[in-house]
Amino acid sequence: EAGVAQSPRYKIIEKRQSVAFWCNPISGHATLYWYQQILGQGPKLLIQFQNNGVVDDSQLPKDRFSAERLKGVDSTLKIQPAKLEDSAVYLCASSLAPRGGYTFGSGTRLTVV
Amino acid sequence: GEDVEQSLFLSVREGDSSVINCTYTDSSSTYLYWYKQEPGAGLQLLTYIFSNMDMKQDQRLTVLLNKKDKHLSLRIADTQTGDSAIYFCAEYKAAGNKLTFGGGTRVLVKP
Repeated sequence: EAGVAQSPRYKIIEKRQSVAFWCNPISGHATLYWYQQILGQGPKLLIQFQNNGVVDDSQLPKDRFSAERLKGVDSTLKIQPAKLEDSAVYLCASSLAPRGGYTFGSGTRLTVV
Repeated sequence: GEDVEQSLFLSVREGDSSVINCTYTDSSSTYLYWYKQEPGAGLQLLTYIFSNMDMKQDQRLTVLLNKKDKHLSLRIADTQTGDSAIYFCAEYKAAGNKLTFGGGTRVLVKP
């Protein structure tokens, strides 16, 4: 079974620039999550999709972050404009059913300078 | 305060047992998880325990759950250098279908 694919692995941008991350979940997994992991901290949920609908985006800074999951498969997370404090690893995860046994991708490490 | 708390660091000698502790706050949590993160990698699910259990063993891993004290621990028997990583506990709440992570415990295994 292929894992959760994320790209790019690394991204360095200047503040106020835009950036987009891509995630391809495990085939058949209805639920997709984006987490932000700041260095030295645990992952924090940004947004959760069930198929192509948003279930929870209460922690997503909507003035600069947006996410979509077209056709209930791949997802993109965008930051526009980026701030220095957005430097983090952005992790995508998917699960077949609720309960928390998520499969995580390797993440995208974003550095904003 | 944080929903899920862990100590920051644990140093252990190769071959010894490691015990990583975690406290959580929500008694309605239905599942509690342990994830492992190696440098530059995503999180790998290690094991989990359902809230109506008090112990679960899986090869070298033993999970203990004290629901009264909201305390979860992960014991790794015969710790190996490959066990050096950051370990996260996480609580799953069915209401909201949400997984909340602790800050992670960095485990360093010395030869």
